[in-house]
Amino acid sequence: EAGVAQSPRYKIIEKRQSVAFWCNPISGHATLYWYQQILGQGPKLLIQFQNNGVVDDSQLPKDRFSAERLKGVDSTLKIQPAKLEDSAVYLCASSLPGAQETQYFGPGTRLLVL
Amino acid sequence: GDSVTQMEGPVTLSEEAFLTINCTYTATGYPSLFWYVQYPGEGLQLLLKATKADDKGSNKGFEATYRKETTSFHLEKGSVQVSDSAVYFCANSWGAQKLVFGQGTRLTINP
Repeated sequence: EAGVAQSPRYKIIEKRQSVAFWCNPISGHATLYWYQQILGQGPKLLIQFQNNGVVDDSQLPKDRFSAERLKGVDSTLKIQPAKLEDSAVYLCASSLPGAQETQYFGPGTRLLVL
Repeated sequence: GDSVTQMEGPVTLSEEAFLTINCTYTATGYPSLFWYVQYPGEGLQLLLKATKADDKGSNKGFEATYRKETTSFHLEKGSVQVSDSAVYFCANSWGAQKLVFGQGTRLTINP
C-alpha cells in the first residue's frame, strides 16, 4: 500500500513570496490533515478535511494560508505572502473515516523562508 | 485546553540501556494517548496507543501504560538498540478529535 505522498520535499523562498505544497493521501482515506512543525516543537494542526469539506481550520492563519481539497483526494496548502516565521516542516496526514486517532503521515515538506 | 508535556531532550544512551521518556497530559475527560516516532528522513508513524485508563500499549519492545491518577503515559523499553535512535512524540486525542502533540524528545543510542 502506497503511503502519503508530499511534494516538494524542500523549498527555499524569500519573504513575501508565495509557495504551495501538494499532498496525495492514502487511497480510501477520506480525512486529510495539514500540520506545521516548527523546529524543536511538535506538529500543530493547521487544517482538517473530511472529503472536500473543512472540519477544523481554527489554527490556520487565514490572512496568508489557504488550503483546498477540491475533489476529495489530493490537497494543496498555499502560503501567500510568506514570513520568516513560516519556516517549518509542513506535514500531511490521512486517516480512514471514523478512525482519526490513527493517522498516517507523509515525509513532509521542509520550508525555509529567507 | 488540552496539552501534552514531554521530557526534554536530547537523550543519549548506550546500547542495551533502559529507556524512559516521560509524558504527562492535561485534557478534558479521558483522552486517548499515543506515542509517535520519527526516524531520520522519514515521516511520523504511530508506535503505540492506549484508549482508556490502565491500558498498556506495546510495540517493538516499547511499552507505555495509561495512568489516570498521575495523568501520565511514560514510554519505556528495557534494552534499546542503535536503530531506536529517533524523535519520539507523545500525543493525546479526546473524543476522536485532533491530535495534540508534545514537543518531541530526540533519542540517540550509541553502540
